[in-house]
Amino acid sequence: ILNVEQSPQSLHVQEGDSTNFTCSFPSSNFYALHWYRWETAKSPEALFVMTLNGDEKKKGRISATLNTKEGYSYLYIKGSQPEDSATYLCAFGTGFQKLVFGTGTRLLVSP
Amino acid sequence: DVKVTQSSRYLVKRTGEKVFLECVQDMDHENMFWYRQDPGLGLRLIYFSYDVKMKEKGDIPEGYSVSREKKERFSLILESASTNQTSMYLCASSFLRGYNQPQHFGDGTRLSIL
Repeated sequence: ILNVEQSPQSLHVQEGDSTNFTCSFPSSNFYALHWYRWETAKSPEALFVMTLNGDEKKKGRISATLNTKEGYSYLYIKGSQPEDSATYLCAFGTGFQKLVFGTGTRLLVSP
Repeated sequence: DVKVTQSSRYLVKRTGEKVFLECVQDMDHENMFWYRQDPGLGLRLIYFSYDVKMKEKGDIPEGYSVSREKKERFSLILESASTNQTSMYLCASSFLRGYNQPQHFGDGTRLSIL
């Protein structure tokens, strides 16, 4: 059974703080690593899909890195804003584009 | 924008009922997926389909079946609903080509089985 672990489970930061989360996944049979943002009462929204070791992706104040050899990915948020409050999910891509999701990191940003 | 529409946001059914959850996408995606989300657990894949009339079991298919008669529509069926199927159900879709395709999700259906 594939295991995808995310840490921390939850995080409470002040507006303007920078923060980062970790996703750990199997280092073998790697196809892709996905990051999604899931705001309350909305649908999960894709942030990044990374497929190559050493990949770095950026979208505004959010960026992600990928290390497939050691099986981890980091998601960084620079200068957190209250609208960044959400659950951040990572998912390990297997064959046929099946995804195995972690349990998520719940981020709360206070003004 | 990709639109994945699930037929209901909230649904209450009784034990033993046959329950249908419908999902429609408007982006001509080949892949469609059904997940359930429970507290403390990640999204878990129930079934997926990569083409019309094709279906593959996910990680937790027991007690469920699916139907894909048209490319844009993927239905999840609870043959005889039980209380342990009370959950949030999410539908998603994606293109088939390559491994760099994100999945696009619906808003979810919160299903309660009484």
